[in-house]
Amino acid sequence: NAGVMQNPRHLVRRRGQEARLRCSPMKGHSHVYWYRQLPEEGLKFMVYLQKENIIDESGMPKERFSAEFPKEGPSILRIQQVVRGDSAAYFCASSQEHSNQPQHFGDGTRLSIL
Amino acid sequence: GIQVEQSPPDLILQEGANSTLRCNFSDSVNNLQWFHQNPWGQLINLFYIPSGTKQNGRLSATTVATERYSLLYISSSQTTDSGVYFCAVEQAGTASKLTFGTGTRLQVTL
Repeated sequence: NAGVMQNPRHLVRRRGQEARLRCSPMKGHSHVYWYRQLPEEGLKFMVYLQKENIIDESGMPKERFSAEFPKEGPSILRIQQVVRGDSAAYFCASSQEHSNQPQHFGDGTRLSIL
Repeated sequence: GIQVEQSPPDLILQEGANSTLRCNFSDSVNNLQWFHQNPWGQLINLFYIPSGTKQNGRLSATTVATERYSLLYISSSQTTDSGVYFCAVEQAGTASKLTFGTGTRLQVTL
């Protein structure tokens, strides 16, 4: 029973490039969440998605960041024109229902911007 | 939004010692989870505990929802317990996002 799968584990980009982070939820889970962890800080919520719908994107920066969870395939977090401040660990979580259920986390993607 | 405070911020223990970590939150919650982030950055699910008490080996947790706090007990600590412990809550009436505390950094020495 595979857990939440994130890839790549590590991603290096130069300033101005695009970063695409992928997340496959646990089997049977239709709710996906993205969180960002800056160095030496706790995790901060970015966006909550269900299949083909963005439910809550209140934690997502207004520019350069977007997320999707298509009908088929993994959820994607896309960062355009990356800047040094985007360097962080990005975690994906999934749950079976939208509330009153534990969220299960992947191992994260460490994004480094040169 | 809901505030989540953890204490102590840092803790150094000798192997074999016991400890209690605390998480206070400022509003009613639907969900409370404890996580251990190991030195490699992986986030390990310890407990899903919106209320009551649970035990798993040397770890146990208690949440008193009416008083808005949760406690994580670590007994007979081992060096592999080192890392950062996070409490995360889902505020009642919100759409599922978890709000994380700032964590307790634990170092277990020989």
